[in-house]
Amino acid sequence: DAGVIQSPRHEVTEMGQEVTLRCKPISGHNSLFWYRQTMMRGLELLIYFNNNVPIDDSGMPEDRFSAKMPNASFSTLKIQPSEPRDSAVYFCASKRGGYGYTFGSGTRLTVV
Amino acid sequence: TQLLEQSPQFLSIQEGENLTVYCNSSSVFSSLQWYRQEPGEGPVLLVTVVTGGEVKKLKRLTFQFGDARKDSSLHITAAQPGDTGLYLCAGVTGTASKLTFGTGTRLQVTL
Repeated sequence: DAGVIQSPRHEVTEMGQEVTLRCKPISGHNSLFWYRQTMMRGLELLIYFNNNVPIDDSGMPEDRFSAKMPNASFSTLKIQPSEPRDSAVYFCASKRGGYGYTFGSGTRLTVV
Repeated sequence: TQLLEQSPQFLSIQEGENLTVYCNSSSVFSSLQWYRQEPGEGPVLLVTVVTGGEVKKLKRLTFQFGDARKDSSLHITAAQPGDTGLYLCAGVTGTASKLTFGTGTRLQVTL
């Protein structure tokens, strides 16, 4: 089991550019979550999907953020246009029933 | 908004000491999880507690869920340098087991 795979691990981009973060959940997991972690705000839930359907996107900061899950094995989180305050570590996590989440290693985004 | 406050925020102790981390909320959760996160990695699940008053042990770690399912504690006996990391509690709500994370406790154990 390769775990939850996120790419890229690090992303540095200029303000105003589009950023796309990618996530491959564990095979067989039917729920997928996107979190953002900063020193000031800790881990915040942005959006989650159940069976590829977005269930709750109330944590998405603003319209510049969008997420998709076109199939059970892939999800993207897009920021367009990016701003310096979007700099954070973005985590993807998946689970199947039960309670335990499996997190990816995260994407460290820096917007300059 | 459900808030989970952890205390202390930072803790630096020597190997062999005992410590307790607290996780408090005004909200009731269906269950509560504890995670440990190391630098450059995502959080890793340590335990899930479900029943009010439940106590679970994981080697030198003891987890307790409050009777009212609003709070929890993590006790580490004889801490070791390998216990160093960020400890996060997370309350579970909803049918999708949505997690709300606590503010975190950063533990450093030195020789």
